[in-house]
Amino acid sequence: AQTVTQSQPEMSVQEAETVTLSCTYDTSESNYYLFWYKQPPSRQMILVIRQEAYKQQNATENRFSVNFQKAAKSFSLKISDSQLGDTAMYFCASSSNAGNMLTFGGGTRLMVKP
Amino acid sequence: DAMVIQNPRYQVTQFGKPVTLSCSQTLNHNVMYWYQQKSSQAPKLLFHYYDKDFNNEADTPDNFQSRRPNTSFCFLDIRSPGLGDAAMYLCATSLSGRTEAFFGQGTRLTVV
Repeated sequence: AQTVTQSQPEMSVQEAETVTLSCTYDTSESNYYLFWYKQPPSRQMILVIRQEAYKQQNATENRFSVNFQKAAKSFSLKISDSQLGDTAMYFCASSSNAGNMLTFGGGTRLMVKP
Repeated sequence: DAMVIQNPRYQVTQFGKPVTLSCSQTLNHNVMYWYQQKSSQAPKLLFHYYDKDFNNEADTPDNFQSRRPNTSFCFLDIRSPGLGDAAMYLCATSLSGRTEAFFGQGTRLTVV
C-alpha cells in the first residue's frame, strides 16, 4: 500500500519568485514512481514532472525541479520564476512498478500573485 | 487537441436514479481509469481496465460499475446515486510500460 501526504493545503507566491511544495510518501514497494500533477481551475490534470525511485538524480523540467530524498521519503517540487499560469492545484502522487494506478496526496492550492 | 474526452462536463441526477458517465480517448492507450474526486480532496481510484481486464479497488462500492466496450470508450455507471456520490469523476488513460497518465477534464456530478 502507498500513502502520500501534502502538508500545505494552500500556498501563495509572488510572480517571478520561487516556491517549494512539500510531499512525503510511504510505500512498501522496492521500485516506484513519483509524480507532480497540476490541475488548473476547470481544466484537466496534467503531468508536471516525474521521478523514478531508482534514479538518484533529481528530475528537472524547465522551471520545475524536484528534491527527491529517498531515505526520508520526501519529494518536494520547486517552481522557479513563478508565472500567473502556474496558479493551480498541485497533487503529489506515487505509483508502483506494477502499474500506473496513482495514489494522490491531498493537494496544495498554489496562487501566484502579480 | 482533446485526447481524453469526458461527457458530459456537468451532470445532475436524482437521488437513486441510475446515471452513466462516459469517457473516450484518441490515444489508443490500453489502460483506462476512473477516479472519484470529492471537493477539496485527492482523487481516489475506483477501478481500471487493463486492456479488457477489469480491476476493481477493494473499497469501491458495489453501486459503481464500469464498462469498456472497446479500446476507445469507457463508461462509469452509478446504479443508485446517493448524496455522497456527488463528486468530480476523472477518467484517465495510460499505455502499459509508460508512466504518464492522461486525464480528461472530468464530469462534475450533482445528486439532488
